Amino acid sequence: GQQLNQSPQSMFIQEGEDVSMNCTSSSIFNTWLWYKQDPGEGPVLLIALYKAGELTSNGRLTAQFGITRKDSFLNISASIPSDVGIYFCAGPSQGGSEKLVFGKGTKLTVNP
Amino acid sequence: GAVVSQHPSWVICKSGTSVKIECRSLDFQATTMFWYRQFPKQSLMLMATSNEGSKATYEQGVEKDKFLINHASLTLSTLTVTSAHPEDSSFYICSVGGRIQETQYFGPGTRLLVL
Repeated sequence: GQQLNQSPQSMFIQEGEDVSMNCTSSSIFNTWLWYKQDPGEGPVLLIALYKAGELTSNGRLTAQFGITRKDSFLNISASIPSDVGIYFCAGPSQGGSEKLVFGKGTKLTVNP
Repeated sequence: GAVVSQHPSWVICKSGTSVKIECRSLDFQATTMFWYRQFPKQSLMLMATSNEGSKATYEQGVEKDKFLINHASLTLSTLTVTSAHPEDSSFYICSVGGRIQETQYFGPGTRLLVL
């Protein structure tokens, strides 16, 4: 079945540093979604990508839809303590349903 | 995006009792809602797709008689964990689907602890 592989699994960075994480798949996706989950909360949609090659920003966050449609990247610039959390990539499941496939997440820790 | 609420935000119950969790779509008429379960340090696991006015569709391995889903209106879906046991302790999250944009918007989650 479809799988999304996220890397790295976890990151420990200093405040102010830039962060890059990615999501890859052996399957083609027509939509890539990036969510952030704070501890004890539900995931919040950060960025949605709908077109191969698309580069979209949301404040300090930038995400790109890979040309091959098999990968996506999320970058965070000038990290701050509130960026701490787990970042999930997701994409629509095959078969035309509204279900999503999720990666296992990248846990980000920002040291002040 | 859609605004989704869940109630309660946390619940503690005794083993053998049933627990009902509500998921409300506050500004979006949701014909489809989704129920996920998340164990510590793991990703979200889809349990079932809740369809307004019809039976829910359960993922493989999820007991439909244990996890009862009712989606009686376009703004409310409920998940009832029947005869809960400690292994049912988890974080339960619902979401509403966006068919056109292929996105989902999540509720804040419900933490269930079964003693």
